[in-house]
Amino acid sequence: GDSVTQMEGPVTLSEEAFLTINCTYTATGYPSLFWYVQYPGEGLQLLLKATKADDKGSNKGFEATYRKETTSFHLEKGSVQVSDSAVYFCALTPSNTGKLIFGQGTTLQVKP
Amino acid sequence: GAVVSQHPSWVICKSGTSVKIECRSLDFQATTMFWYRQFPKQSLMLMATSNEGSKATYEQGVEKDKFLINHASLTLSTLTVTSAHPEDSSFYICSPKTGDYEQYFGPGTRLTVT
Repeated sequence: GDSVTQMEGPVTLSEEAFLTINCTYTATGYPSLFWYVQYPGEGLQLLLKATKADDKGSNKGFEATYRKETTSFHLEKGSVQVSDSAVYFCALTPSNTGKLIFGQGTTLQVKP
Repeated sequence: GAVVSQHPSWVICKSGTSVKIECRSLDFQATTMFWYRQFPKQSLMLMATSNEGSKATYEQGVEKDKFLINHASLTLSTLTVTSAHPEDSSFYICSPKTGDYEQYFGPGTRLTVT
């Protein structure tokens, strides 16, 4: 079945460091891909999304490109801040289902 | 952005009792509601999907008689864990979806069954 695999955390970085969180997926058809973020004590929030191959989603300095050839959707940010500390979830929606399938989440800790 | 509330945020109950969790969409109408559970350091697993006024559709392996879902209105859905046991201890998250594809998430309810 469809699935999402993320790199294990926690990822610990210093402020202003470059961030990459790897995400790969397995799916039939043409899924849409998402990154969600969960700050402590809050619900998941959509960070960015891409709906077709080669699309780049971006928001708040974060970017991810839908790579069909490598079935990947890696999350990147050029310079992280302490306020980016959170749990990040990669997810996909199989074609026409509306159901989200999540990766296991990656905890990011940014130290000043 | 859309506001979703869950109540309670944390509940402890004794084995064999039932617990009801409420999910409200405060400033939008949810045509579809998803319920997830999340174990520590694991992914969110979809339990069931419900549309307002209809019976919920449960994912494979989820007992529909144990996890009762009611979606009686466009702003309120409830999940009742009946005859709870320690293995039901988990983090339960509701996720209302509007018709325009955007899906939102509640802050979650932590259930501990003793």
